[in-house]
Amino acid sequence: LAKTTQPISMDSYEGQEVNITCSHNNIATNDYITWYQQFPSQGPRFIIQGYKTKVTNEVASLFIPADRKSSTLSLPRVSLSDTAVYYCLVGDIGYGGATNKLIFGTGTLLAVQP
Amino acid sequence: DADVTQTPRNRITKTGKRIMLECSQTKGHDRMYWYRQDPGLGLRLIYYSFDVKDINKGEISDGYSVSRQAQAKFSLSLESAIPNQTALYFCATSGGWEDYGYTFGSGTRLTVV
Repeated sequence: LAKTTQPISMDSYEGQEVNITCSHNNIATNDYITWYQQFPSQGPRFIIQGYKTKVTNEVASLFIPADRKSSTLSLPRVSLSDTAVYYCLVGDIGYGGATNKLIFGTGTLLAVQP
Repeated sequence: DADVTQTPRNRITKTGKRIMLECSQTKGHDRMYWYRQDPGLGLRLIYYSFDVKDINKGEISDGYSVSRQAQAKFSLSLESAIPNQTALYFCATSGGWEDYGYTFGSGTRLTVV
């Protein structure tokens, strides 16, 4: 399973765009990149997933360069309620994929200040 | 109702006791997982199941066992609880190819005294 590295913590202010970068140098061909958000004492919540280039949904954007060895989660105009831990995960999610089990690291604690 | 329901939400038990944590889901997913989370740490995978007849060990299965009673139900047992099993436990489901996002339950906070 590809190991991921991301900053332990980040600070931001309300209204700013936040970019959290994750490195995954040994990502495999079948691996997808997935980001989750976790609030204290709650289960993680799926944010976004991608394989290459750019993916955007109503919550965030995910940028993946051509070599796929890193990815960046972009949160536009954060608010206080975006204060949470953000996890970057890499794994094969397809049916029959032997590694369809996500391994979580320690994540990035994003603290949004007023 | 929640897609993934865990019971109990909180539990205090004594060292040496057997305890079962239950998880049920209404997502219709085949794949179910049990994770534990310790303060300040990420989630660690205990066991996972890809269908009713499939059970697999995760990173930290020692001291735990699981049972997949039906597609919708996946329970985690601590045969003889010890204090270092005090943690927040999460159950999750995933649909695999078509529905790849994991859906987590609200967690069970277990304290072993």
